[in-house]
Amino acid sequence: GAVVSQHPSRVICKSGTSVKIECRSLDFQATTMFWYRQFPKQSLMLMATSNEGSKATYEQGVEKDKFLINHASLTLSTLTVTSAHPEDSSFYICSAGRPGLANNEQFFGPGTRLTVL
Amino acid sequence: ILNVEQSPQSLHVQEGDSTNFTCSFPSSNFYALHWYRWETAKSPEALFVMTLNGDEKKKGRISATLNTKEGYSYLYIKGSQPEDSATYLCALGSGGGADGLTFGKGTHLIIQP
Repeated sequence: GAVVSQHPSRVICKSGTSVKIECRSLDFQATTMFWYRQFPKQSLMLMATSNEGSKATYEQGVEKDKFLINHASLTLSTLTVTSAHPEDSSFYICSAGRPGLANNEQFFGPGTRLTVL
Repeated sequence: ILNVEQSPQSLHVQEGDSTNFTCSFPSSNFYALHWYRWETAKSPEALFVMTLNGDEKKKGRISATLNTKEGYSYLYIKGSQPEDSATYLCALGSGGGADGLTFGKGTHLIIQP
C-alpha cells in the first residue's frame, strides 16, 4: 500500500510554455501533498504544501503565481510551471501524507525531470 | 531554517562488507528523523522514522540509531549486497504530521561485486 504515482516522468519544453505535472495517491486518500524540487548536487527542497480543497502554502522564495498548485481531490494534486524558463529546469517530486500518520511520514512519487530549452 | 548534513557524500563498498554513514542535525527543536532509500528512476522508499533519543530500529540488514542530544543518526548496513546500491536520504520533520521535510544531500552508496 501507499503508492504515489507522478506523470510525466520526463518533459522537455520550450521557454515560455507551461507544464503540468500530476501527482496521484493510488491506494489511499491524501489530505496533504507536498511538492519538492532538486537542483543538481543539491538536496530536495520543499516548495509548497497542498491541502485538499484549500490554497497551497508556499515556502519562502517560491513564486505562487509561477508554480500553480491545485489539490482538487484527495488523490490528485497538480503542479503547473507557468511560462517556464531554463532556470526552472529541475527535478520535481511530490509526496503524500496519509491520514492518521504521525511524525511527518510521507510517501513519494518517482519524480519528474523538467528541461526547459 | 534546519540544516541537515550527511556524510560521506559518496561511498564505495565491497560486496559482503558492512558500512555506515551519518546524518547530523541541530539538536534543538527536534521532532522526527526519517531515512529513505532512493534508487534511480524509482520513488524514495521509507526505511525508518525515529523520534526518541537512543532509539534503534532495524529492517533486515539495515539498522539506524538516533542521538537527539548530540544531533546525529547513523545508518548501518551489514553484509552489503549489490541491491543495496542507492542514495540514502536523511530528513527532518520540524513540526506536526502535516509539515514538509528538510532533507540532507544524501549519501550515494555503490556496492562493488
